[in-house]
Amino acid sequence: AQSVTQLDSHVSVSEGTPVLLRCNYSSSYSPSLFWYVQHPNKGLQLLLKYTSAATLVKGINGFEAEFKKSETSFHLTKPSAHMSDAAEYFCVVTRMDSSYKLIFGSGTRLLVRP
Amino acid sequence: DAGVTQSPTHLIKTRGQQVTLRCSPKSGHDTVSWYQQALGQGPQFIFQYYEEEERQRGNFPDRFSGHQFPNYSSELNVNALLLGDSALYLCASSSGTAYNQPQHFGDGTRLSIL
Repeated sequence: AQSVTQLDSHVSVSEGTPVLLRCNYSSSYSPSLFWYVQHPNKGLQLLLKYTSAATLVKGINGFEAEFKKSETSFHLTKPSAHMSDAAEYFCVVTRMDSSYKLIFGSGTRLLVRP
Repeated sequence: DAGVTQSPTHLIKTRGQQVTLRCSPKSGHDTVSWYQQALGQGPQFIFQYYEEEERQRGNFPDRFSGHQFPNYSSELNVNALLLGDSALYLCASSSGTAYNQPQHFGDGTRLSIL
């Protein structure tokens, strides 16, 4: 079975400092991994995706994530936080033989202090 | 280029009633998935429609049903509403059903059951 674990329910950073949102996954097969962001009262926006190409994936708004198979991790990073980054972030897994459904982590709420 | 649109944005119902939620996919997309997001949790997969057929279903009772129309738009129906059905219902669309195709989400319908 597949699953994702987001290790922090809340992360608080100061504006201009680095962001690290942690995600570990479990999958019996080669996974596809995604990060989505959800702003208050909005749907989800795709930040980036990993689909077995380069292990370092660059996304929108300066975010990137590195797929580490040995650690079963897919952590999301950004060098410098902006106030507009404050939102809920979801790590998501799917796999090649279960193409239809995305399996979401429980989410990490990112707070950005001025 | 219109993204995924959902209607209505908010809905209030009472226990035992029935509700229909609607979704228009992003232009060029032919696959629609529905998710339920309870407060403070990640979205849970309900089902996916492709070529007007339900392709896969999550762990939801038969009270949840859907339909896809020839223009690829979709409806989610929930019968015999329970208090626990209160949630944000998200529609996502994609092009085809391949596992690595990113899904684009609408802003959701907030359903409240009294």
